[in-house]
Amino acid sequence: DAGITQSPRHKVTETGTPVTLRCHQTENHRYMYWYRQDPGHGLRLIHYSYGVKDTDKGEVSDGYSVSRSKTEDFLLTLESATSSQTSVYFCAIWGGYSNQPQHFGDGTRLSIL
Amino acid sequence: GQQVMQIPQYQHVQEGEDFTTYCNSSTTLSNIQWYKQRPGGHPVFLIQLVKSGEVKKQKRLTFQFGEAKKNSSLHITATQTTDVGTYFCAGLGTNAGKSTFGDGTTLTVKP
Repeated sequence: DAGITQSPRHKVTETGTPVTLRCHQTENHRYMYWYRQDPGHGLRLIHYSYGVKDTDKGEVSDGYSVSRSKTEDFLLTLESATSSQTSVYFCAIWGGYSNQPQHFGDGTRLSIL
Repeated sequence: GQQVMQIPQYQHVQEGEDFTTYCNSSTTLSNIQWYKQRPGGHPVFLIQLVKSGEVKKQKRLTFQFGEAKKNSSLHITATQTTDVGTYFCAGLGTNAGKSTFGDGTTLTVKP
């Protein structure tokens, strides 16, 4: 498997608290993604990055922010978590060539009470 | 924006029966990729299709890309219990950095 590590793997927190999820890669891939996965909705793109300090919004970006200060790290922040953000979050990486697949991390299960 | 629809959402089959999931894009795709996610796991890449009308096989799995490069299918012959999971298609459109995932088809196989 590609070198992708998500942390934490599980988190329970309360509404209104800030939460940061980390994605770390050892593949030196240019692109990194954050998805959320909810029953009946498949994988929905939150934000993605196409280089250090270069990020763009996905289809469900409201309530989330991201940062990428180094090639290997992509952080997802929920400034003030809400119960609707309870989900499984996946990070993915892509080398940037059309014949390459995305490689996914193991996911973070986030519960907001 | 680009939309990718995938049907059916769920499929329950008896072991040994065939299974097919279909993917349709609102726009022409550069390529389409298929992923499998086992229960509790993360999506894992299966295959990529690039050419119009392309057909690829992996043992009991057959993947097709439509002539117009707007639809694709995955067919599994004689399902086994190891085939259980959710199958996703992901289409790469004009934005080279973003693929759009279908909502997935969850396959359950009864022994």
